[in-house]
Amino acid sequence: DTEVTQTPKHLVMGMTNKKSLKCEQHMGHRAMYWYKQKAKKPPELMFVYSYEKLSINESVPSRFSPECPNSSLLNLHLHALQPEDSALYLCASSQLGELYGYTFGSGTRLTVV
Amino acid sequence: AQSVAQPEDQVNVAEGNPLTVKCTYSVSGNPYLFWYVQYPNRGLQFLLKYITGDNLVKGSYGFEAEFNKSQTSFHLKKPSALVSDSALYFCAVRDANSGAGSYQLTFGKGTKLSVIP
Repeated sequence: DTEVTQTPKHLVMGMTNKKSLKCEQHMGHRAMYWYKQKAKKPPELMFVYSYEKLSINESVPSRFSPECPNSSLLNLHLHALQPEDSALYLCASSQLGELYGYTFGSGTRLTVV
Repeated sequence: AQSVAQPEDQVNVAEGNPLTVKCTYSVSGNPYLFWYVQYPNRGLQFLLKYITGDNLVKGSYGFEAEFNKSQTSFHLKKPSALVSDSALYFCAVRDANSGAGSYQLTFGKGTKLSVIP
């Protein structure tokens, strides 16, 4: 298995809703990442997990809450989002201590209404 | 801080012609450079990387990139463009170790490649 799987592929949510994005990989990668990408812009780093522990939080608002329950799974919990949070949310994973690029999932297209 | 610059927002090339997508970098140590491609509404796909060794790096789908230390450049190239190569291309540089062996990739703004039939 050489993929990063993200679900759902599309999500529409209201500003008062609570939802979660899911990311899964079975490549044995011990680093996992959440990126946010607006249309025609580069991905922007949100969170980094190493060995299931949060190592980087790039000053992301608390309405985004990451969780890494095990080495294969990464979640992003969403609550009270704003319309400007609408974007493509990308999950990625990588080997630790090795000079490989990331493996990206296909992303979740989030629309906040 | 490390950064990459992609000076062209868009590159247009005729099918069958060679293509070049430009990238320059700024790093404080050894550069670790990557190219990714993104098709509409999809995630990023890894094309190739430069870590060390030969300055000409070969990657997926017939792409290659030339590392030039003196010009701090890492341009993406392909000898003969296909219509299916039309996509958004990102150059990226690896930041320093973020802790416990993980690292950040910092991306350029992206270059939209359009291959005209």
